[in-house]
Parts: sequence; structure tokens; C-alpha cells
Amino acid sequence: AQKVTQAQTEISVVEKEDVTLDCVYETRDTTYYLFWYKQPPSGELVFLIRRNSFDEQNEISGRYSWNFQKSTSSFNFTITASQVVDSAVYFCALSDFSGTYKYIFGTGTRLKVLA
Amino acid sequence: EAQVTQNPRYLITVTGKKLTVTCSQNMNHEYMSWYRQDPGLGLRQIYYSMNVEVTDKGDVPEGYKVSRKEKRNFPLILESPSPNQTSLYFCASSGLAGATGYEQYFGPGTRLTVT
Repeated sequence: AQKVTQAQTEISVVEKEDVTLDCVYETRDTTYYLFWYKQPPSGELVFLIRRNSFDEQNEISGRYSWNFQKSTSSFNFTITASQVVDSAVYFCALSDFSGTYKYIFGTGTRLKVLA
Repeated sequence: EAQVTQNPRYLITVTGKKLTVTCSQNMNHEYMSWYRQDPGLGLRQIYYSMNVEVTDKGDVPEGYKVSRKEKRNFPLILESPSPNQTSLYFCASSGLAGATGYEQYFGPGTRLTVT
């Protein structure tokens, strides 16, 4: 069965600290996609990144970086030099070719960046 | 402007009174989906649709109905709402890449309260 686990319910950091949000997934399929979405206090859901199961390259986009490791079924998200505007709930999600077209989201991690 | 719209944004209703939440997208996306967001549970998929007249259950379909008569619209119907359906609802759409390798675009959300 598909499953996405975000064990960190809430994280608080002081501005300029680095922070890593963990995401562990389960799937029996060899082909799948992983996503991260951001939900700021205003409530909208914003896409951040997509990664397919054949691409284990890490990615860096400005202060954001993602570490995808199939060996540990993890897709972790790091924010470098965090800012107050990074305060949000972050969701990790999975879709695969298991015969359905479902998306499975984790329960989210609330990040609070304190000034 | 590419967008997903939902109406109404806020709704307070009473147990048993049928209601419909509309969702429309202007991006010609094949895939559309409904989610509910509850504290501590993250986003859970209710129903999804791969195209016109093609719908399937997500993880929490009980108490909900959907239809996809036109590509752009995907209404969510609660025939007999109950208090446990009080939640924040999101509609989303995306293209279809293989399974669901495209990121989803989300509507602004509908906050439903059932008393």
C-alpha cells in the first residue's frame, strides 16, 4: 500500500538557521513520483518540486534543496538560511503506477521561523 | 490567468441538507481531484477523475459523490451532510503524464461547517 510519513509535526527555528523536513514513503511500484507542496498561512497550496523514481539527483533551487534517496525511501527537503516567509505547512506527496491514479499526501510539517 | 476556482469559499449548513461545491479549471486538464484537509490528518483524497465520465474513489469517499460531465468542471456533492464532514475542501487539477506525474494546481479551498 502507498504511504507517506512526515514524522515531524511541527518545527520551530530561528531565522537564518538551516532546517530539514523529512519525508518517508512506501510503495511497491518501481515507477512513481514524489512532490513537495507549501501551504502558507494564507491557505493556498503551492507546488514546489516534482521528482520521478528514476531521477535520484539532488536538486537545489535558491535556498531550497531536496535529497531523494531510494535506498531509504526518503525525499527530504532542506531550507538553508530560513526566513520568516518560509513559515508554512509543508506537504510531501506520492503518486505511482499501482493501478490507481491516487495521490497520497503526508500529514504535513508546520514550520515556524522566528525572527 | 490559469486557475482553479471553487464556490462557495465558505459554507455553513445543517445536517442532512444537500449541498454542492463547484470546481472549475481553465487549463484543459484531464485530471481533477477533491481533497479534504483536517488537523493532524493532512490532505486526504476523496475522489478523482481522469477525464470526462471517468471517476474513481480516493481514500475517503464515503458520504460524497462527484460527476464529470464536462472536462472543466468537477462538482463535489454531499447528499446528506453530517458534522464529521466539517472540513476544508480543496479541488485540484493537473495534466496526465504517465500516471500522475504532473503537479497539481489547487483551488483556494472551501471551508464547510455542518451543524
